[in-house]
Amino acid sequence: DVKVTQSSRYLVKRTGEKVFLECVQDMDHENMFWYRQDPGLGLRLIYFSYDVKMKEKGDIPEGYSVSREKKERFSLILESASTNQTSMYLCASTQNGYSYEQYFGPGTRLTVT
Amino acid sequence: RKEVEQDPGPFNVPEGATVAFNCTYSNSASQSFFWYRQDCRKEPKLLMSVYSSGNEDGRFTAQLNRASQYISLLIRDSKLSDSATYLCVPLDTGRRALTFGSGTRLQVQP
Repeated sequence: DVKVTQSSRYLVKRTGEKVFLECVQDMDHENMFWYRQDPGLGLRLIYFSYDVKMKEKGDIPEGYSVSREKKERFSLILESASTNQTSMYLCASTQNGYSYEQYFGPGTRLTVT
Repeated sequence: RKEVEQDPGPFNVPEGATVAFNCTYSNSASQSFFWYRQDCRKEPKLLMSVYSSGNEDGRFTAQLNRASQYISLLIRDSKLSDSATYLCVPLDTGRRALTFGSGTRLQVQP
């Protein structure tokens, strides 16, 4: 079975802190994605990567950056956390070719106070 | 207009009922569609794929109406375990990424 893991299930940070969210997949998938999910807004794409060291902006990249130094690991970075970044963050991965069957990690509930 | 629109619900139905959700999409170039299921406080998981006019998998039927730009999900003989949020997802092949609807919540009651 594909496994996507995220470094924390729950995280509480203060405004202005630098925050790292880590995601690791074990199926040699080419594509990896970061979403945030908020009530009534659904899943919104922040950034994605289709290869090591490659990244593309999603729909809401402002305030975030990403890093993909190894194929299996995709990190989301909040340079200076703000309260409006309080959300559920979900990482996903897919094989190359088709991005439809996305395998999600369990999510990180981030609270910024 | 949002790229993907779904009735948020909740749809409250008794066990054994048949229930249908619709999803409208704005990108007429979308060729493939997917339904994902998300249980409360869990991650989304792929439920069904729709590549032509429709797809059937057991109690679940997905139908696509390209002319009106909507897809539907029909669940027959609802089970308690079907209680979840159902996310509609059109695939934009030019984008490499998916656009998720905000979901329709289903609550099946005993």
